[in-house]
Amino acid sequence: KAGVTQTPRYLIKTRGQQVTLSCSPISGHRSVSWYQQTPGQGLQFLFEYFSETQRNKGNFPGRFSGRQFSNSRSEMNVSTLELGDSALYLCASTSGPLTGNEQFFGPGTRLTVL
Amino acid sequence: GENVEQHPSTLSVQEGDSAVIKCTYSDSASNYFPWYKQELGKGPQLIIDIRSNVGEKKDQRIAVTLNKTAKHFSLHITETQPEDSAVYFCAAARSGNQFYFGTGTSLTVIP
Repeated sequence: KAGVTQTPRYLIKTRGQQVTLSCSPISGHRSVSWYQQTPGQGLQFLFEYFSETQRNKGNFPGRFSGRQFSNSRSEMNVSTLELGDSALYLCASTSGPLTGNEQFFGPGTRLTVL
Repeated sequence: GENVEQHPSTLSVQEGDSAVIKCTYSDSASNYFPWYKQELGKGPQLIIDIRSNVGEKKDQRIAVTLNKTAKHFSLHITETQPEDSAVYFCAAARSGNQFYFGTGTSLTVIP
């Protein structure tokens, strides 16, 4: 089985721009979660989608949004980029909606905001 | 919300020695506690997990213990090897797939 894939792997943007990141979960997985990883804050939960519905949302401003398609692929969007948005954005997929299912992480998208 | 604290932030051990990483959590409703290993340039990978109805779980050189009363859980790696060098994260979850992560421990195993 192919793992979780994320595109692009690296991205450089300037302040004020917007960006869209993509995540393809493992085949058959219907839950996709997004995390922001920074050296100072560690891994912080952004949101989770299951069957195209956002089930959980972390404590991030409205500039961060996401969606999930019928094939379980997910995108996250960050509008009006700020320098502090520079981070590794990780996507994780899980087979089911219940706690205790293994999360498989992708390699991440490294976003740099100049 | 849940708050997960992890210690130490860095840990150096001699090859063959044991390494212990500790985490505490705040939400008594959390019931699933996975541990992840992250190598440079890669996403975190699950190495072991434990559920709240179990006190200890072992998988070869890796073990995890959970104390629900004290709200803490620990990762134990025995007979460490250089390839164990990585950043380790603990996490806690109570419902769905919303995980709260510790801040990570950078483990270095010195040959």
